[in-house]
Amino acid sequence: NAGVMQNPRHLVRRRGQEARLRCSPMKGHSHVYWYRQLPEEGLKFMVYLQKENIIDESGMPKERFSAEFPKEGPSILRIQQVVRGDSAAYFCASSPLGLVAKNIQYFGAGTRLSVL
Amino acid sequence: QKEVEQNSGPLSVPEGAIASLNCTYSDRGSQSFFWYRQYSGKSPELIMFIYSNGDKEDGRFTAQLNKASQYVSLLIRDSQPSDSATYLCAVRSPNNDMRFGAGTRLTVKP
Repeated sequence: NAGVMQNPRHLVRRRGQEARLRCSPMKGHSHVYWYRQLPEEGLKFMVYLQKENIIDESGMPKERFSAEFPKEGPSILRIQQVVRGDSAAYFCASSPLGLVAKNIQYFGAGTRLSVL
Repeated sequence: QKEVEQNSGPLSVPEGAIASLNCTYSDRGSQSFFWYRQYSGKSPELIMFIYSNGDKEDGRFTAQLNKASQYVSLLIRDSQPSDSATYLCAVRSPNNDMRFGAGTRLTVKP
């Protein structure tokens, strides 16, 4: 039973390029969450998605960042025109459908983005 | 005011001692509370979750919740060097997304 899969594990981009981060939730999970973590800091919520729907994107920067969770395939976090300040670890978590208020989130290994 | 607050530490305890980690939250409507452990460079892993007031024990770990005071704590008994990590408190908000504290760094000295 595979866990939450994120790829790539490490991503290097030059300023101005696009970064695409992928997340495949655990089997049977329909809720996906994206977080950003800067060195020595906690996890900052970015966006919460269900299949084909963005439920809460209150943590997403207004520009350059977007997320989707299509009916088929992984969830994608996309960062356009990356800047050095985007360098961070990006974690994806998933939880199952059901008693949403109590569902536990399971984390992937993260993607470490470095912007040169 | 931050939604979830933790002392950043570092908290240092000797091996075999009790480590006490505290967390306060601002949203009274929060329903679920979680403690995650994160080793340096790794992803968070769930240690404990608690939904009701009182204590919940699991092995060497005890989570305590006091909704009236809006705090949740984690006690680690018989601390081991392998417990050295950053502990993240997480609170599920009424709209079902999770808010994390900045984490408390724990060091257990042999």
